[in-house]
Amino acid sequence: RKEVEQDPGPFNVPEGATVAFNCTYSNSASQSFFWYRQDCRKEPKLLMSVYSSGNEDGRFTAQLNRASQYISLLIRDSKLSDSATYLCVVTNTNAGKSTFGDGTTLTVKP
Amino acid sequence: DGGITQSPKYLFRKEGQNVTLSCEQNLNHDAMYWYRQDPGQGLRLIYYSQIVNDFQKGDIAEGYSVSREKKESFPLTVTSAQKNPTAFYLCASSPGLAGGNEQFFGPGTRLTVL
Repeated sequence: RKEVEQDPGPFNVPEGATVAFNCTYSNSASQSFFWYRQDCRKEPKLLMSVYSSGNEDGRFTAQLNRASQYISLLIRDSKLSDSATYLCVVTNTNAGKSTFGDGTTLTVKP
Repeated sequence: DGGITQSPKYLFRKEGQNVTLSCEQNLNHDAMYWYRQDPGQGLRLIYYSQIVNDFQKGDIAEGYSVSREKKESFPLTVTSAQKNPTAFYLCASSPGLAGGNEQFFGPGTRLTVL
């Protein structure tokens, strides 16, 4: 079993739709969590950090459930420009390294 | 402008040759990382360094080597021992244990071994 697992998709949604991605992790010692966005043939870019209390940034909401060991990303009112691959990242601060999920591909269509 | 630079963007080498990929950051970050990404897959950690003159193997270190002689530089050498070196190589940095774990990436180097 992979340390970080994501549904690879692809998710194909119309503009304006709400879409949710989930990510599960196996290492209970994980301490920091992030969502990154990666466009085709580009480097990943930080989208948002994820906190137990949940956090929101415009149309994006991230949530962490430590008891069940999963994190989620909700995108509301999808835009064409949201089309990308979304990577879930789990960090073990003590070990000083992060583990990336394989990513979930989103395509938003007109 | 602060950031991470990687050079070159595209690199072609013959099989059996060693090649060194450059990674420089001027963010004053303590930690630096090297990842490999194959088509349709996620990032896999090759090597990482939390501080100057110290580095650790990641999940797929075989066939690679690194050095961290300066805080701002973390070059990666792909040796002839790496059996399948063609891939997209990404370098990242983060403030480090005391400053946060968010990683910031360079634009990457696409290595093709012919």
